[in-house]
Parts: sequence; C-alpha cells; structure tokens
Amino acid sequence: EAGVTQFPSHSVIEKGQTVTLRCDPISGHDNLYWYRRVMGKEIKFLLHFVKESKQDESGMPNNRFLAERTGGTYSTLKVQPAELEDSGVYFCASSRGLAVQDTQYFGPGTRLTVL
Amino acid sequence: RKEVEQDPGPFNVPEGATVAFNCTYSNSASQSFFWYRQDCRKEPKLLMSVYSSGNEDGRFTAQLNRASQYISLLIRDSKLSDSATYLCVVNALGAGSARQLTFGSGTQLTVLP
Repeated sequence: EAGVTQFPSHSVIEKGQTVTLRCDPISGHDNLYWYRRVMGKEIKFLLHFVKESKQDESGMPNNRFLAERTGGTYSTLKVQPAELEDSGVYFCASSRGLAVQDTQYFGPGTRLTVL
Repeated sequence: RKEVEQDPGPFNVPEGATVAFNCTYSNSASQSFFWYRQDCRKEPKLLMSVYSSGNEDGRFTAQLNRASQYISLLIRDSKLSDSATYLCVVNALGAGSARQLTFGSGTQLTVLP
C-alpha cells in the first residue's frame, strides 16, 4: 500500500509569490490533515478535511493560506502571497477514520523556503 | 506555556543503555497519547500509542499518568538505530469533532557505539 505522498519535496520562492503544495493521501483514507513546522518550533496543526469538507481549519494562520480537497481525494495548500515567516516544512497526514486507533500517517513533507 | 512540554535533550547514550523521556501536557481534555519518532529530515512515524495501564512493545515501554498529565517513554538496550528525535503527541477533540495532533518539540537521542 502506497503511503502519503507530497509534491514538491522542496520549493524555493520569493516573497510575494504564490506556491501550491499537493498531498495525496493513502487510498481509502477519508481524513486528510495539514501540519507545518517552522524553524525552531514544534509541528503545528493547520486543518483537517473529511472527504471534501473542511472539518476544522482552526490552525490556519491567516487568509493567505487556502486549502482545497475537491472530489475528496488529493488536497492542495496554496500560499498567496508568500511571506518570509511561511518558510518551514509542511506535512500532510491521512487517517482512515477518527477513532483513537486510527493512526495518522504522515507524508515526507514539503520544505518551503521563502526568500 | 506550551501545550506539550518535552526535555529537548540532546541525550547521548552508549549502546545498550536504558534511556527515559518525559513529557507533560496541559490540556486535561486530551484523549489519546502517542510517541512518534522522527529521523533527520524525515516525516514523523508512530512509534506507539500510550494507554493508561501502560504498554510495552519490545524494548519500548510507555506510561501515562492522567492525574499528573504526564507521559513517559523508556527504551531499554538502546541500539544505534534508535537515534532519532522522539515526539510526544497528544490528541484532543478540536473544532467539529476533528482530531488535531498536538506535538511537543521533540527529544533528540543519539546512541553512541
């Protein structure tokens, strides 16, 4: 079974540009999560999809961040316009359900650098 | 105050040593608890869930004390391959019954030959 995949693995952009990150969850996982780790900080929750619906977006830092999951399969996270403080590693995770035993499996992350 | 606090280390131990990591959490509504392992520049991977009764998986033992809001991980007979960052992770219901994972900063372990 393929794991969570993310694209690109690295992205270097200039302040003010737009970047779109993609996540493909494990097949059959209805729940998709975005997290990020900025330099020197712990990994923090951004948002959670159940299928195509945003279940919880309480962790989204501001309206420059837009996440979508059209069709309930893969998800994109767009940052527009990017700022220096957006640099970090963006992780996607997926789980089959919401029970305690439903592990969240993480993708390899996208390392974003904003210059 | 951070929601999940861990000693950042680093812990440098010789092969075969026993090492213990501690973690405290502030949200008394937390419902489930985990230890994740993260290798350098890789994604976090679930090491083990932590149950109130304590649980063991080979050389790894995890304990939870809900009254003290304290979680521990014990690694016995350390191997070189145990070198990694160990993340204490807590799961509480978020908005709309979502399950956000709240991470500690991680404790770095290096096992020396």
